[in-house]
Amino acid sequence: DAGVIQSPRHEVTEMGQEVTLRCKPISGHNSLFWYRQTMMRGLELLIYFNNNVPIDDSGMPEDRFSAKMPNASFSTLKIQPSEPRDSAVYFCASSPSGASTDTQYFGPGTRLTVL
Amino acid sequence: GDSVTQMEGPVTLSEEAFLTINCTYTATGYPSLFWYVQYPGEGLQLLLKATKADDKGSNKGFEATYRKETTSFHLEKGSVQVSDSAVYFCALLNAGNMLTFGGGTRLMVKP
Repeated sequence: DAGVIQSPRHEVTEMGQEVTLRCKPISGHNSLFWYRQTMMRGLELLIYFNNNVPIDDSGMPEDRFSAKMPNASFSTLKIQPSEPRDSAVYFCASSPSGASTDTQYFGPGTRLTVL
Repeated sequence: GDSVTQMEGPVTLSEEAFLTINCTYTATGYPSLFWYVQYPGEGLQLLLKATKADDKGSNKGFEATYRKETTSFHLEKGSVQVSDSAVYFCALLNAGNMLTFGGGTRLMVKP
């Protein structure tokens, strides 16, 4: 079975440009998560969807970040405008039902570099 | 709020040595506890988990026991291999369905 799919795997852009990261969760999973990993701050949860509805976006750093989940098989994380401090690896994860015992399955990540 | 504390790395061991990576947590309620492993250039993979006190998670020779009395979930392996070299993350999942990660511990195993 395919795991969580993310694209692109690597993205290099210039400051001020719009960046869109994409995620396809595991089929049948109802919960989707976006995380950011940096050396300074480690792994941080940005936003969490359940049944395509955003449940908690308290980790989204600022208004430049937005996330959508138009259907059960696709989500995007957009940064507009991007800044050098947004450089990080962004992970998408999904879990079956959102229960507190569920395992979250991670994608391979998108490494974003903003020059 | 919830938090997870791991021993800082890197941890450098020789092949076949015994491994312990300490993890302690602070949380309200009864979280589930996880160990994830991240190999270079890859995403996080679940290594093992435990969902209630005294449960032992195990996989690939790794073990961890959910100790509520000491709020700990230490990772152990009896004999490490070079292929175990990676970064290991301890994490908890609370009722709000949010994973809280520790800072990660880099393990380097030398032949």
